[in-house]
Amino acid sequence: QVQLVESGGGLVKPGGSLRLSCEASGITFSDNFMTWIRQAPGKGLEWISYISGSGGAKYYADSVKGRFTISRDNAKKSLHLQMNSLSADDTAIYYCARGERGLDDAFDLWGQGTMVTVSA
Amino acid sequence: DIQMTQSPSSLSASVGDRVTFTCRASQSIDTYLNWYQQKPGKAPKLLIYGASNLQSGVPSRFSGSGSGTDFTLTISSLQPEDFATYYCQQSYSNPPFTFGPGTKVDLK
Repeated sequence: QVQLVESGGGLVKPGGSLRLSCEASGITFSDNFMTWIRQAPGKGLEWISYISGSGGAKYYADSVKGRFTISRDNAKKSLHLQMNSLSADDTAIYYCARGERGLDDAFDLWGQGTMVTVSA
Repeated sequence: DIQMTQSPSSLSASVGDRVTFTCRASQSIDTYLNWYQQKPGKAPKLLIYGASNLQSGVPSRFSGSGSGTDFTLTISSLQPEDFATYYCQQSYSNPPFTFGPGTKVDLK
């Protein structure tokens, strides 16, 4: 069925690294841009990264620029987020979401989220 | 970057009530405004895109309006399953995509 499934979250020490993945099924993955959004405990939604359908364009929020790297493998229908130099401020649920140009670039398909906890 | 604000931050309402909440952008975003609903422990769900277009499968009691900097989301008759937090998001400057801080709707 049509879905996005994130994985790779967990507990990591400050300064550590983690790689998140988002596997797509039931969709033509390369047709759409993809994004990562996070939500700190009890807080709102924060967009953090974008990648175009081809993977040629990438953008980051200032809060993660230089530390996080987004990538995609269209053949494997997978999206990734490499997170380095993690701090407590990065503790959050991380969601991947599909952007749909035909819906004014709204995010119409979301994964269930994966929890990242940064703590000593 | 474009900043988004929402009001109120929370509201209490009863089943059957008509509720309206607002979203404001720090600069004109035309109609590139989307609304999401999030229930506790769940991922957000797209309700409205392009300020006023109902996403497929979303009940018609939800409606959106506005353009430029001021937008509203209205639930014509609140149902038990509508108690949730609602976020607006601009997709005008794509990216970055900015979310508002949310409006939490709970039971009066």
